[in-house]
Amino acid sequence: GNSVTQMEGPVTLSEEAFLTINCTYTATGYPSLFWYVQYPGEGLQLLLKATKADDKGSNKGFEATYRKETTSFHLEKGSVQVSDSAVYFCAFQETSGSRLTFGEGTQLTVNP
Amino acid sequence: KAGVTQTPRYLIKTRGQQVTLSCSPISGHRSVSWYQQTPGQGLQFLFEYFSETQRNKGNFPGRFSGRQFSNSRSEMNVSTLELGDSALYLCASSWTSGGAHAEQYFGPGTRLTVT
Repeated sequence: GNSVTQMEGPVTLSEEAFLTINCTYTATGYPSLFWYVQYPGEGLQLLLKATKADDKGSNKGFEATYRKETTSFHLEKGSVQVSDSAVYFCAFQETSGSRLTFGEGTQLTVNP
Repeated sequence: KAGVTQTPRYLIKTRGQQVTLSCSPISGHRSVSWYQQTPGQGLQFLFEYFSETQRNKGNFPGRFSGRQFSNSRSEMNVSTLELGDSALYLCASSWTSGGAHAEQYFGPGTRLTVT
């Protein structure tokens, strides 16, 4: 069935380190791909998206490229900040309907 | 533009009771989806409503139901509450259902505790 697999956490980095959170998906057709971020006690915030193969989504220094050949959508940031500490969710959305299928989430902690 | 709002933010109920949660989407958005978030099961899709019609449903028992009104506001209801229903319930809205512009925007959630 359809699913999303995320890199296991938690991930702990020092400020200004490089971040990669791996995400692979199993889906039929051509889904849209998303990264959401959740801060403590809050709902999910849309971080970035890509709707077709080779699209690159970017926002606030985060980037992810839709790789259909490897069914992946890895999240990267060149220099993380303490304020980036949160849980990150990878998700896909099939073309019919708005339903999102999420990965397990990756807890990121950035230390000063 | 105001974001997705959910009421109430926190709720404590007793087993066997029923509960209704409310969601107001972003102005102009016609699709509303509901998700359950728990530490053990993660984020799971409950259902989606678009133009007052249920468009899609997740794998939850019939105790979970929802509806959407003509102004796109949505409610979800859980009857005969069980301890395992304790969770953060998230509502998300999107401009349309499916396609390239169906990205979802989430509300802050309702934290339901069943005792």
